[in-house]
Amino acid sequence: SQELEQSPQSLIVQEGKNLTINCTSSKTLYGLYWYKQKYGEGLIFLMMLQKGGEEKSHEKITAKLDEKKQQSSLHITASQPSHAGIYLCGAAIDTNAGGTSYGKLTFGQGTILTVHP
Amino acid sequence: EAGVTQSPTHLIKTRGQQATLRCSPISGHTSVYWYQQALGLGLQFLLWYDEGEERNRGNFPPRFSGRQFPNYSSELNVNALELEDSALYLCASSFLSGSTGNQPQHFGDGTRLSIL
Repeated sequence: SQELEQSPQSLIVQEGKNLTINCTSSKTLYGLYWYKQKYGEGLIFLMMLQKGGEEKSHEKITAKLDEKKQQSSLHITASQPSHAGIYLCGAAIDTNAGGTSYGKLTFGQGTILTVHP
Repeated sequence: EAGVTQSPTHLIKTRGQQATLRCSPISGHTSVYWYQQALGLGLQFLLWYDEGEERNRGNFPPRFSGRQFPNYSSELNVNALELEDSALYLCASSFLSGSTGNQPQHFGDGTRLSIL
């Protein structure tokens, strides 16, 4: 099973609608990152969350990390066609040996967002 | 400020050949990371270099190797290429991550490696 589960896998919304993408782990997340990718291109950094309960916003995108630091959500308000793309969450995760994989990011499978005008 | 740059953009090789991919980090960043994004497998961590040293390695065979130069640029070498090595190879850079906190990794546009 995936160490980092993203849901939904794909999302189709009408322009102007709000949407939420979730990222869940069974282990503690250290440094949770949200990225956006256009197909076949590099990743664009959106936001980083480190503290339990932390919330950050940039323009119409808000990301939260829960208190237990095992789940994050990305919320887009009043979606626009420019929001379309693949959203990826990545995190440094507790290793089985008790350490943390600093530097090594584990990524979810991504959520493909389509916004219809 | 220039972002992370990767070259070449595309690379076509045949099975058994060797491939070299290059990455220049954002100015001031000392850490360089390599990831593989293969169809259906998602983004997989390959290697992390900082100050010329290999800091962490993903679950890949030894024929995937790399190095970091004194100017912090990096090369990824893949020997004895196999069909399943076909993927988008992404390089990222950051300030050093560690017990004092994580640093956001900024990605380049990748090198598309195709094995025929």
